[in-house]
Amino acid sequence: QKEVEQNSGPLSVPEGAIASLNCTYSDRGSQSFFWYRQYSGKSPELIMFIYSNGDKEDGRFTAQLNKASQYVSLLIRDSQPSDSATYLCADHSNDYKLSFGAGTTVTVRA
Amino acid sequence: GAVVSQHPSWVICKSGTSVKIECRSLDFQATTMFWYRQFPKQSLMLMATSNEGSKATYEQGVEKDKFLINHASLTLSTLTVTSAHPEDSSFYICSASPTGYEQYFGPGTRLTVT
Repeated sequence: QKEVEQNSGPLSVPEGAIASLNCTYSDRGSQSFFWYRQYSGKSPELIMFIYSNGDKEDGRFTAQLNKASQYVSLLIRDSQPSDSATYLCADHSNDYKLSFGAGTTVTVRA
Repeated sequence: GAVVSQHPSWVICKSGTSVKIECRSLDFQATTMFWYRQFPKQSLMLMATSNEGSKATYEQGVEKDKFLINHASLTLSTLTVTSAHPEDSSFYICSASPTGYEQYFGPGTRLTVT
């Protein structure tokens, strides 16, 4: 059974700092990964996805994928209080399903 | 782009009644839609995968006779919770995919069964 693991946090960072979120996955055959942000009481919103080894940048967000280590991360640069949320890592399978981790709660201190 | 709506956003119903939740992709066609349930402080749990024109595929442990899913068109899927009980109270979220790859989530429906 597929497993996606994340540190539950909470991760507290000062405003302007880099928040680093980590995710590991069990299925060596997994090809692509998604990062979602979920504010309390709201549904998830897509931040970005990655399927190639290396880094992928989108604005203040950078996703990193290392398939050999079965590890994917998300960096949030210049963290803002509005980034305070739960971040969900998801593994995408061939049958189009997403397997979500438990999420990491991030708090950005003003 | 890639907007998904859900209706209603919240609903309160009495135990034993049925509730229907609609999920629509507003600006794209979605051959596949997904239904999730989320309990407080837990991650999303996939309930079923819905394909237009065919029967939904339910995840293990999800009662298909209790959670009826109809994917009537490329932009509409419905979830009906039949004979709802208090333990069915949860946050129900649908998602839709324009490509079968990334999923875009609706705003969710908060169901409370009294």
